[in-house]
Amino acid sequence: KNEVEQSPQNLTAQEGEFITINCSYSVGISALHWLQQHPGGGIVSLFMLSSGKKKHGRLIATINIQEKHSSLHITASHPRDSAVYICAVRDDKIIFGKGTRLHILP
Amino acid sequence: GAGVSQSPRYKVTKRGQDVALRCDPISGHVSLYWYRQALGQGPEFLTYFNYEAQQDKSGLPNDRFSAERPEGSISTLTIQRTEQRDSAMYRCASAQERGTQYFGPGTRLLVL
Repeated sequence: KNEVEQSPQNLTAQEGEFITINCSYSVGISALHWLQQHPGGGIVSLFMLSSGKKKHGRLIATINIQEKHSSLHITASHPRDSAVYICAVRDDKIIFGKGTRLHILP
Repeated sequence: GAGVSQSPRYKVTKRGQDVALRCDPISGHVSLYWYRQALGQGPEFLTYFNYEAQQDKSGLPNDRFSAERPEGSISTLTIQRTEQRDSAMYRCASAQERGTQYFGPGTRLLVL
C-alpha cells in the first residue's frame, strides 16, 4: 500500500465546476504540500499545511490530522487549471502521491 | 537570482559516463532538496540539505548517486557510471527551513 494515496487519478470536468481532489496518508507528518505540475513540466507549490485550512484565490486546501486526510478544492474551475495536482507529505523526508490529472473542458 | 536555477537544462550522455547536475537555490534559503521524476511519474525524493549538512539521503537509489552542498548554497548532484535507467528529470527545490518549497526548472537527463 502506498504511504500517500490520491484520488481520483484522473478527473475531467466542465468549466465552472467545483473540483475536489483527495489525499490520504498513513505516516506521521509535520506538513503536507499541494503542488501543481503544468503540462510543460514546471512545478509550483500551492499550499503547505500542518493544520486547518488555507485559501488562495479559487483554491482551498484543508487537512484533518486525526484522519490523515487532506483535500484540495478548486472553485469555478477554468481550463487553465488543467494540470497534475500532487500531494506530498513530509516528516524528515518527503513522500509524494502519484498525482491527480485534472482536465477542465471549456 | 529571482528563483531557483538549474544547469544544464538538458544533458545527453553515454552510458557509463559521470554527470554533475547543478542547483542554484534562492539566496538565503536554508533547505535544498533534490528530486527525480521519470516520464509520466510523480516526483521521487532523493536527498536534502539544511545549510551544508546533508540531512537525509535515504532516497538516493544507490551509491552511484551523491550530492553535496559544501558552502550551504549551490548544490551538485553527481551520478557516476550512468545507466539508461537514470534517465529522468532531476529537479531541485529550495526553502526557508521547512517552509514552502520553490522548484527549479529541472535538468532533463538522457542516458543513451
